[in-house]
Amino acid sequence: LAKTTQPISMDSYEGQEVNITCSHNNIATNDYITWYQQFPSQGPRFIIQGYKTKVTNEVASLFIPADRKSSTLSLPRVSLSDTAVYYCLVGPSGSARQLTFGSGTQLTVLP
Amino acid sequence: GAVVSQHPSWVICKSGTSVKIECRSLDFQATTMFWYRQFPKQSLMLMATSNEGSKATYEQGVEKDKFLINHASLTLSTLTVTSAHPEDSSFYICSARAPVAGVLNQPQHFGDGTRLSIL
Repeated sequence: LAKTTQPISMDSYEGQEVNITCSHNNIATNDYITWYQQFPSQGPRFIIQGYKTKVTNEVASLFIPADRKSSTLSLPRVSLSDTAVYYCLVGPSGSARQLTFGSGTQLTVLP
Repeated sequence: GAVVSQHPSWVICKSGTSVKIECRSLDFQATTMFWYRQFPKQSLMLMATSNEGSKATYEQGVEKDKFLINHASLTLSTLTVTSAHPEDSSFYICSARAPVAGVLNQPQHFGDGTRLSIL
């Protein structure tokens, strides 16, 4: 399973765009990149997933360069409620695939 | 969307007690579920993979006789912490992936976790 590296923590202010970058240098050809959000005392919540280029949904965008050795989660106009830990995970497809969580990034949104 | 439900959400019990945690897939069938443990200020650590109709696969360092897993149906997996001790106090989370025909990589969905406190 590809190892991921993320910043341990980030601070931002309300209304700003936040970009969290994840490094995954040994990503394999059949690996997907998935981001989760976790609030204290809750299970992780799926944010976005991609394989290459750019993916956008109603809450975030995911940018993946051509070499796929990194990815950037972009959260537009964050609010206080976006304060959470964000995990980047990399792994192959398949329902039997377990996820290996890295240390995650603690995002703190300040007023 | 797919929902995974855990019960109970928290439990406090005396040392030596066995505690059962349930994980249900509410609107899909899950042949595989995963159990994680998370200590304060730490990331999730995979404990075991629960397989419907067969034995669970445990990660290295996880005692299978301590953490009993049963996956008797396609919508229910249970984790039993036997003879629990204070060091077993943690946040236990399960997950499953809803299979979708023709879709290669559905994301995993997580339960809201069970806070276990052993006195």
